[in-house]
Amino acid sequence: DVKVTQSSRYLVKRTGEKVFLECVQDMDHENMFWYRQDPGLGLRLIYFSYDVKMKEKGDIPEGYSVSREKKERFSLILESASTNQTSMYLCASSSTLGTGVRGAFFGQGTRLTVV
Amino acid sequence: ILNVEQSPQSLHVQEGDSTNFTCSFPSSNFYALHWYRWETAKSPEALFVMTLNGDEKKKGRISATLNTKEGYSYLYIKGSQPEDSATYLCAPSNNAGNMLTFGGGTRLMVKP
Repeated sequence: DVKVTQSSRYLVKRTGEKVFLECVQDMDHENMFWYRQDPGLGLRLIYFSYDVKMKEKGDIPEGYSVSREKKERFSLILESASTNQTSMYLCASSSTLGTGVRGAFFGQGTRLTVV
Repeated sequence: ILNVEQSPQSLHVQEGDSTNFTCSFPSSNFYALHWYRWETAKSPEALFVMTLNGDEKKKGRISATLNTKEGYSYLYIKGSQPEDSATYLCAPSNNAGNMLTFGGGTRLMVKP
């Protein structure tokens, strides 16, 4: 059974704190993604990575950074958390190797509240 | 940033009703269109991936069609059940197939 696991379901942090959101997948996927979901705005891509140590900015990268030191792990970092980063964060992974187009697999989400 | 629009934003139907919703996306540089279903407190789950103009996919009571020339896809649910209540997301992918841009979703609520 394929799995994308996010380290926390719920997190409360203070403004200015450095926050790490961790994501691990066990499918040997080369692509990994971080999205945030806000009411009425759907899923917006923050960053994605298509290989170890590679990263690409998504639509809303400001205030975030990422790290991919190992293929199975993709970390999202909030350098200095702010209240407007209160949101649901979703990690996903996919593979585009081989034939056929396949969908992405998502983690269960982390609801982050910054106070 | 791709402009992906889904309508309606939310929908309330009675059990047994059939319903459909729309996903609009840029038709240029099309590669693939994904549909996901996202139930509350669960992870989004892939429903369909479509690549060719005129594609139709079906899973049980749910089906989807694709028009790449005009840039839209329809999702149909026949005989809605309360367990169909979820947010339905569509996402075209880039030409490498690895980056999905999601629409705002359609939130479906089916009343028993």
